[in-house]
Amino acid sequence: GAGVSQSPRYKVAKRGQDVALRCDPISGHVSLFWYQQALGQGPEFLTYFQNEAQLDKSGLPSDRFFAERPEGSVSTLKIQRTQQEDSAVYLCASSAAGQGEETQYFGPGTRLLVL
Amino acid sequence: KNEVEQSPQNLTAQEGEFITINCSYSVGISALHWLQQHPGGGIVSLFMLSSGKKKHGRLIATINIQEKHSSLHITASHPRDSAVYICAVRSNYQLIWGAGTKLIIKP
Repeated sequence: GAGVSQSPRYKVAKRGQDVALRCDPISGHVSLFWYQQALGQGPEFLTYFQNEAQLDKSGLPSDRFFAERPEGSVSTLKIQRTQQEDSAVYLCASSAAGQGEETQYFGPGTRLLVL
Repeated sequence: KNEVEQSPQNLTAQEGEFITINCSYSVGISALHWLQQHPGGGIVSLFMLSSGKKKHGRLIATINIQEKHSSLHITASHPRDSAVYICAVRSNYQLIWGAGTKLIIKP
């Protein structure tokens, strides 16, 4: 596709349920980023991949959050034992190069609601 | 203190007015981004700049590295410009985001 896609667009989960959020970056993009945006807040950095390597996961809020990008393209963000405070929009972005001043292209986000 | 601060938080203006949104930051950066987020969550990158000034259509972005300050200007504002405008700075490979400015342009 022409842009970054994410699925599902919306997810309702019961507290304690595990969820998996998918990001398809722009083909050939080296860098992939995950962000969490709570209602009324700016996005918060979660984690960063350069190809398949997870170079920074300092933003993951707890060990219930896990991200992978095994073949350096599609990425999955997994949240185990979801809690109500996990409710947010999860944004994925990709960029062409590794580090530096390249533009990030954003997906539409996955809106997660934990009941 | 937040590392990236935007002002104002909310701005309502009449169609045709000149709009200015400000961003100040306290960390070392390699670039600064201005982004637009419409209701429903879609984020669009407007500008990425590390010095000087950039212009695209009715949008102008400036940055003063010494003062750690950037501004986004919209000339001849239009209701379709209504959105949240976010300033984000790149520090290493992280983007540190401001809280956003909610802009409403009334016809």
